[in-house]
Amino acid sequence: AQSVAQPEDQVNVAEGNPLTVKCTYSVSGNPYLFWYVQYPNRGLQFLLKYITGDNLVKGSYGFEAEFNKSQTSFHLKKPSALVSDSALYFCAVRDRWGTDSWGKFQFGAGTQVVVTP
Amino acid sequence: DSGVTQTPKHLITATGQRVTLRCSPRSGDLSVYWYQQSLDQGLQFLIQYYNGEERAKGNILERFSAQQFPDLHSELNLSSLELGDSALYFCASSVGDRGQPQHFGDGTRLSIL
Repeated sequence: AQSVAQPEDQVNVAEGNPLTVKCTYSVSGNPYLFWYVQYPNRGLQFLLKYITGDNLVKGSYGFEAEFNKSQTSFHLKKPSALVSDSALYFCAVRDRWGTDSWGKFQFGAGTQVVVTP
Repeated sequence: DSGVTQTPKHLITATGQRVTLRCSPRSGDLSVYWYQQSLDQGLQFLIQYYNGEERAKGNILERFSAQQFPDLHSELNLSSLELGDSALYFCASSVGDRGQPQHFGDGTRLSIL
């Protein structure tokens, strides 16, 4: 069965320090992988995606993510965190078989990031 | 502003009732997705439509139904409401039906009394 795990409920980091939010997944086919961010009382905002190609994906607001097929991980990273990065981060996966078969979207439970000044 | 419009923003109703949530996708987007977000179950994918046709189905209850109209707006119908249906319901849209980024509305908060 398809699943997404975000092992940390909360990540605390000081401003200016590197930020990592972890995500591991389990799918039967070839996944599309995504990261979204949610600010209070708002909908989710797209950060980046991995479909194929280079394992290091660059996204919005200085975020990047590394796809690791052997470890089935897709960790989100930012070299230098800002206080404004404090938000709820979601990893998502969509399974894919061949060219015309698509699974449902699966979101992780979310990781609350707290960046302190 | 994502360009996705959801109405109403808040909805308060009673158990056993039926409600309709509406979503207007971002201009040019053909796919519409519905999600339910609650504290105990997190963010759950309900269903996706692409250009009027159902494309993928998630954890949508039989009491819930959705459709996408020719003008591409979508409605999510929730019936025989239970206390556990209280949640934030999000609509999202994307250009295509596969791996394109989704643009989320700000949600409809449904409270069942």
